[in-house]
Amino acid sequence: DTAVSQTPKYLVTQMGNDKSIKCEQNLGHDTMYWYKQDSKKFLKIMFSYNNKELIINETVPNRFSPKSPDKAHLNLHINSLELGDSAVYFCASSQDPGTGYGYTFGSGTRLTVV
Amino acid sequence: GQNIDQPTEMTATEGAIVQINCTYQTSGFNGLFWYQQHAGEAPTFLSYNVLDGLEEKGRFSSFLSRSKGYSYLLLKELQMKDSASYLCAVKDADSWGKLQFGAGTQVVVTP
Repeated sequence: DTAVSQTPKYLVTQMGNDKSIKCEQNLGHDTMYWYKQDSKKFLKIMFSYNNKELIINETVPNRFSPKSPDKAHLNLHINSLELGDSAVYFCASSQDPGTGYGYTFGSGTRLTVV
Repeated sequence: GQNIDQPTEMTATEGAIVQINCTYQTSGFNGLFWYQQHAGEAPTFLSYNVLDGLEEKGRFSSFLSRSKGYSYLLLKELQMKDSASYLCAVKDADSWGKLQFGAGTQVVVTP
């Protein structure tokens, strides 16, 4: 049973297109995140949702719009894709962000914009 | 904000010990995590330190000194499968669950 699952695993698309990445967790966690890992391997937070509510938005262009239909799902929609959006996007969840529980990450979505 | 520094790469031989250092500067602190990431895979949780001292978990140990803004991850009895990137991450006291990650240290284990 996959704990945090993302689809698709690979996404190749042209500049200007709109695409979505889906994420689901079956761990019963209340908090979910989107992180971006660039070519230099830095993992940077983009968004965080707690029980369907947006709680962190890290100065991400408004072309990126997260949506959480319920606490087990956090999707990421990207409009007007740009070359600089090429990266690996990781979804993650955590049980209680105030404690020492670490994240459980999904396997990542490698987005390539051409 | 956070500034997290760790070496880019370290090489060691199978069976040896490697220590990966991480220094951080933070406006608030609520714990430090270490993650392991194999190429093309998701990061996986290794350890968490919130109080000063050493936490041991099998072949892996993690140390924290809050006054020095310093942590290390110690990998003992290195195995080939330990070749991976090791990420240091700090939890900000003010932000809900947000982790700030370092760029990672690529550990290469040679036979």
